[in-house]
Amino acid sequence: QVQLKETGPDLVQLTQTLSITCTVSGFSLTTYNVHWVRQPPGKGLEWMGAMWNGGGTDYNSAFKSRLSISRDTSKSQVFLKMNSLQTDDTAKYFCASHNYGSYSFDYWGQGVMVTVSS
Amino acid sequence: ETTVTQSPASLSMAVGEKVSISCKTSTDIDDDMNWYQQKSGEAPKLLISEGNTLRPGVPSRFSSSGYGTDFVFTINNVLLGDEGIYYCQQSDNVPYTFGAGTKLELK
Repeated sequence: QVQLKETGPDLVQLTQTLSITCTVSGFSLTTYNVHWVRQPPGKGLEWMGAMWNGGGTDYNSAFKSRLSISRDTSKSQVFLKMNSLQTDDTAKYFCASHNYGSYSFDYWGQGVMVTVSS
Repeated sequence: ETTVTQSPASLSMAVGEKVSISCKTSTDIDDDMNWYQQKSGEAPKLLISEGNTLRPGVPSRFSSSGYGTDFVFTINNVLLGDEGIYYCQQSDNVPYTFGAGTKLELK
């Protein structure tokens, strides 16, 4: 059974760095890709980036150089790090994955709500 | 980057009516369009994947059509439990952009 779970802080200070971990089960990170998607309160979904099964990454240019995605395959974990947080980074952050051969997000974590405080 | 324009922003329907949501993309994405349902406080749920493919367990009342740049999502015989926000998303090229969402309310 495929599962994803995000863990991270509820509150981050302005200009500080956000770190969130996505722990997966039911599949290997060397087979399935993992994506990060965020959703500000009351707003829509925004794709942030991906950790591909081969170890490469892609990022939404909207985050410029603030965003970094990495992984530890031995722990089945994917990491999101984003620096220079602003108040408009307040959002629920989801990790999501998809079946091999498809790029439709079949599987989602429950998300972690992060508030950036001044 | 492919822009996805979704309309309408909101719908108010009666039980049993037919719902139609449109998504238009700024580039040709073949049939790499996905449709999600999100209920309050929950993660999105994939209803229809690339190639207009209904996901397992999703009722056949849900369907989609389209290819290239114009896509339509349909709910036949809408039910109270279908309330929520519906998003389209293109998975043809990164960044995998989403539409702005359509909020569906039942009268």
